[in-house]
This record gives sequence, structure tokens and C-alpha cells, in this order.
Amino acid sequence: DAGVIQSPRHEVTEMGQEVTLRCKPISGHDYLFWYRQTMMRGLELLIYFNNNVPIDDSGMPEDRFSAKMPNASFSTLKIQPSEPRDSAVYFCASSWGANQPQHFGDGTRLSIL
Amino acid sequence: QQQVKQSPQSLIVQKGGISIINCAYENTAFDYFPWYQQFPGKGPALLIAIRPDVSEKKEGRFTISFNKSAKQFSLHIMDSQPGDSATYFCAASTGTYKYIFGTGTRLKVLA
Repeated sequence: DAGVIQSPRHEVTEMGQEVTLRCKPISGHDYLFWYRQTMMRGLELLIYFNNNVPIDDSGMPEDRFSAKMPNASFSTLKIQPSEPRDSAVYFCASSWGANQPQHFGDGTRLSIL
Repeated sequence: QQQVKQSPQSLIVQKGGISIINCAYENTAFDYFPWYQQFPGKGPALLIAIRPDVSEKKEGRFTISFNKSAKQFSLHIMDSQPGDSATYFCAASTGTYKYIFGTGTRLKVLA
């Protein structure tokens, strides 16, 4: 079975540019989560979707961040404009139900210069 | 009250030894406690999980011990191996799908 697929694996861009991270959840999973991991703050939940609908976006740091899930097999996390402090590893995870294991992708390592 | 406190931050264990990582929480509404293992360059992977209706769960060399009254839970890795060297995260959730993660423990098992 294919796991959660994220792209790109690495992204290096200059401050002010738009960044789009992509995620394909595991087929049949109707919950999708976006996390950010940094040394200082650890793993933080940014937003999660249920059946393609955003349920809780309280972790989204600023209006510069937005996330969409146009269908059950695809989600994007966009940062516009990007800033150096956005540099982190961004993970996507999916799950099939309440308090069921969340399965993580291998992340996108984002560096904003 | 939403925090999960994890210790130690790092741990070095000899091959064959027991690795113990501890987590504590305040929110008594938490009802699901997973442990994740993360290797460099990879995403966290579920290792083992427990619900508060049991005090212990064992899967192979990995055991979760859960103390509901103390609001603590711990991961024990028996017969630790160099391949277990990774970062381990505890987490807790209330059934709202929202995991609160601990800060992680970097484990190194010496050969």
C-alpha cells in the first residue's frame, strides 16, 4: 500500500516567494492533517480536514498560510509571501477515524533564504 | 493544560539495555496515547498506542506503561538495538483527532 505522499521533498526559495506544498493521503482516509516541525517548537498541528472540509485551522500561524483540499486525494499548503522564519519540515498525515493512528508522509524540508 | 511533557530530551543506552522514556499530562480528557518513532529524513511512524482503560500494552520489545492516577505514561524498549536509534515522540488526544505531541527524545543505542 502506498503511504502518504508529499512533494516536493525539499524546497529552497527566496523570501517573498510563494511556496506550495502538496500531499496525497492514503486512499480511504478521510482525515488529513498538516504539521510543522522545528527544533524550537517541535511538532505543531497547523490544520486538519475531514471529508475535504477544514475543521480546525487554529494552528495556522498567519494569514500568509492557507490550505486547501479540493478532493479526497489531494491537499495543498501554501505560504505567500514566504519568510525565513517559515523554514521548517512540513508533514502531512492522514487517518481513517477518531483516535485512529495518523500516518505521516516523509515531509517537505522548506528553506526560505 | 494541553501540554504533554516528555523526558529525557536525549538518552544513550548500551546495546541490550532497557530504554525508558517518560511522558506526563494534565488534561484528564485525553483518551488516546500513541508513541511515534522518527528516523532522520523520515516522517514519524506509529510504534504503539494505548488507551486509559489498560495499564500496560506490549508489542514485541516495546511496552507502554500507563498510570492514570499519576497522569503519566512511559515507553520501555527492551533489549535495545542500534537500529532503535531514533527520535521518539509521545502524544495524547481527546478524541478530537488533534494530537498534542511531546517534545521528543533522541535515543542513541551504542553497539
